[in-house]
Amino acid sequence: QQQVKQSPQSLIVQKGGISIINCAYENTAFDYFPWYQQFPGKGPALLIAIRPDVSEKKEGRFTISFNKSAKQFSLHIMDSQPGDSATYFCAARSYNTDKLIFGTGTRLQVFP
Amino acid sequence: DAGVTQSPTHLIKTRGQQVTLRCSPISGHKSVSWYQQVLGQGPQFIFQYYEKEERGRGNFPDRFSARQFPNYSSELNVNALLLGDSALYLCASSHLRVRNTGELFFGEGSRLTVL
Repeated sequence: QQQVKQSPQSLIVQKGGISIINCAYENTAFDYFPWYQQFPGKGPALLIAIRPDVSEKKEGRFTISFNKSAKQFSLHIMDSQPGDSATYFCAARSYNTDKLIFGTGTRLQVFP
Repeated sequence: DAGVTQSPTHLIKTRGQQVTLRCSPISGHKSVSWYQQVLGQGPQFIFQYYEKEERGRGNFPDRFSARQFPNYSSELNVNALLLGDSALYLCASSHLRVRNTGELFFGEGSRLTVL
């Protein structure tokens, strides 16, 4: 019940294309869903986050879609760029705690 | 403003030794958490400290311990190191507020190699 399942494991996208990464969870106590971007040798950097009282959040080229009834959420990267090549992690957090449950990660490669 | 800072950045230890990792949170952040990231996997929660008290503990053996100081910096200690403890150890800090709206910011990590 504590797991967050993430897919795909790896993703190859052409420059300018749309990258889509999906996550699913089971624990209804989760109330905060961030996405992190991680480059090799670096710590995860917060990209965008959503709370379950909204169905979509957009920040620049990055959009989170959230389906509370299905317990699923996804990250869409529009106009993907080679600089977006990194590993992306979805995560979920329970109320009033800093315990993040991370997905297994998606390695995104964007080719020119 | 400085982000979360961790030291050392890299270290090599041998089995059975002990290691201490250090973390300074973002100024004003009172909550510090520690995560272990094994190569190719997502970070795994180890501890959370808030106002110098332990607020949460992940599924790690008692060889792992931590503490938070009055200035909100933190140390993670690992005793009797095993090969499997080789990982990137990440520290994160946040404004932990009642409605849990605080974002979690990670440092660059301490890369521990156990030989």
